[in-house]
Amino acid sequence: KQEVTQIPAALSVPEGENLVLNCSFTDSAIYNLQWFRQDPGKGLTSLLLIQSSQREQTSGRLNASLDKSSGRSTLYIAASQPGDSATYLCAVGGTGANNLFFGTGTRLTVIP
Amino acid sequence: EAQVTQNPRYLITVTGKKLTVTCSQNMNHEYMSWYRQDPGLGLRQIYYSMNVEVTDKGDVPEGYKVSRKEKRNFPLILESPSPNQTSLYFCASSTRDRALRTYFGSGTRLTVV
Repeated sequence: KQEVTQIPAALSVPEGENLVLNCSFTDSAIYNLQWFRQDPGKGLTSLLLIQSSQREQTSGRLNASLDKSSGRSTLYIAASQPGDSATYLCAVGGTGANNLFFGTGTRLTVIP
Repeated sequence: EAQVTQNPRYLITVTGKKLTVTCSQNMNHEYMSWYRQDPGLGLRQIYYSMNVEVTDKGDVPEGYKVSRKEKRNFPLILESPSPNQTSLYFCASSTRDRALRTYFGSGTRLTVV
């Protein structure tokens, strides 16, 4: 069964710093990978979707990379802002049923 | 606006009292699913549906039922809730080919006493 790990569990950075969140998964036979943002009391918002044939996706200050063979993905956030404070979840899409396997997330705090 | 709507947002109930959490999406998505989120365990899939009248178990289906009579609606039913079903529940939808991102509802926080 697919297992997804996110390190670190929590991260605090000063405003303006560039940062990298890590995600690793055990089974490289994936369909896609998504990075989500979760704010307290709110649902999940998909930030970036990378298909298994792609290496990276970019949206504004966010860049996600995928290395399927090594079972790793990174989410790079440039010039962090206090509004980026949230929990970031990595989810791997399986090749069978349309399931998402989630990591437990990285709680990011950007200090003004 | 594309959205997945869950109701209620918060629910406190007693053991054994049947309840239904509703979920509706306005994007004509074929695929819908339910997840529960627990501290330290992340989100785990309960049930999913590939289309109307097609449902199947996810990773943690025990104690739950679902139905998909219409494309837009996918209710989650707890026929006899127990305290171990206290959790945060999310409904999600996506296109069948998964070419586009997955949409999630705002969540339902359920407490069973």
